[in-house]
Amino acid sequence: QKEVEQDPGPLSVPEGAIVSLNCTYSNSAFQYFMWYRQYSRKGPELLMYTYSSGNKEDGRFTAQVDKSSKYISLFIRDSQPSDSATYLCAMRLEGGGNKLTFGTGTQLKVEL
Amino acid sequence: GAVVSQHPSWVICKSGTSVKIECRSLDFQATTMFWYRQFPKQSLMLMATSNEGSKATYEQGVEKDKFLINHASLTLSTLTVTSAHPEDSSFYICSARSGGLDKNIQYFGAGTRLSVL
Repeated sequence: QKEVEQDPGPLSVPEGAIVSLNCTYSNSAFQYFMWYRQYSRKGPELLMYTYSSGNKEDGRFTAQVDKSSKYISLFIRDSQPSDSATYLCAMRLEGGGNKLTFGTGTQLKVEL
Repeated sequence: GAVVSQHPSWVICKSGTSVKIECRSLDFQATTMFWYRQFPKQSLMLMATSNEGSKATYEQGVEKDKFLINHASLTLSTLTVTSAHPEDSSFYICSARSGGLDKNIQYFGAGTRLSVL
């Protein structure tokens, strides 16, 4: 079993839709959670960073962490074609030497 | 956000040659830099962690003599793929972590696509 599970997609949605991306994890010691966006043949770009359970909002993006269920989500409101990319969840242990454990990424396509 | 520059973005080389990839933090001092490898449609796999002025720590299964890492300053780390072979063809990405308030965050470079013929 992988430490972090993420549906690879592809996920296709119409422009303007609300997108829900999710990751589950098995190690309850993960304390820091991140979402990265990666365009084709580019490096990952940090979108959201959270520590505690609950919601964090930044513009059209909302990150949700449920530590009791070991489940994290990223919601994208009013999705745009420019949101088409691969979304990677990543997490880190407390004092884990900053080593990130990544999900496999979900490929998102927002269509006109 | 912080900017990490990676160079070159794409390199093609002959089998048996060595290739050097540079990773620079442009607007912050990176106490720690990381090197990842990514195969098509797969996630990032950590190869090694380097701290300025000390030897890199390699992940299990990564050959340290094959992938030489140097972190000579707080803004520059290099990865040298020695005696490259076609199976080394991949997308290599670096990231950097500052020692400041956002020390838990890694900022990534744009990646280097290596093609070994």
